[in-house]
Amino acid sequence: DIQMTQSPPSLSASVGDRVSITCQASQDISYFLNWYQQRPGKAPKLLIYDASNLETGVPPRFSGGGSGTDFTLTISSLQPEDLGTYYCQQYSDLPPLLTFGPGTRVEIK
Amino acid sequence: QVQLVESGGGVVQPGRSLRLSCAASGFTFNTSGMHWVRQAPGKGLEWLSVISSDGTNKHYPGSVKGRFTISRDNSKNTLYLQMNSLRIEDTAMYYCAREYGNGWYFGMDVWGQGTTVIVSS
Repeated sequence: DIQMTQSPPSLSASVGDRVSITCQASQDISYFLNWYQQRPGKAPKLLIYDASNLETGVPPRFSGGGSGTDFTLTISSLQPEDLGTYYCQQYSDLPPLLTFGPGTRVEIK
Repeated sequence: QVQLVESGGGVVQPGRSLRLSCAASGFTFNTSGMHWVRQAPGKGLEWLSVISSDGTNKHYPGSVKGRFTISRDNSKNTLYLQMNSLRIEDTAMYYCAREYGNGWYFGMDVWGQGTTVIVSS
């Protein structure tokens, strides 16, 4: 099974800061990766699909990149409503087997 | 609007069974794959199962295979999760979610608000 790791586990940044979260897969998953945002007490929300494609309605300050085993989610200018936990998720594994990363908690200073 | 509403959660004793439901509206249910995902208190997301649009293909991770069964009734626009031999560690919020892909399983673009399952004696 493919294992996913994320770093950092948590971060605290100021409004307007550029923030990056990394996700690493235990083996090559090509671009088969999604990113989700989960605000406190809410259901997850799809932000980025296929590693770099912005889901409809998601603000353009969010961007995704990477391929193979290393991926990045970047928030270009952190906003107060970006508070929450961010998860990566791979869909490369068979038979299929979807796996989430452990999450990165984002706090606002 | 597109909506998923879970129900059926509650408090159940270890070893007992529970069936969760997810009512879908606002989209063509019988053309979408559907997932169940759970989140234990204070923990991350765990994918539990996916079912194809017509209900013929179902997949599970090893952690729940043999105990949990996903099914759907397209005439009722409803997804189900039958959970048997429940354990303390099955305590979690359970979400249903819509698959965004067509013909395979990629991820989830619509999520319900979840239903809480507590396994306790």
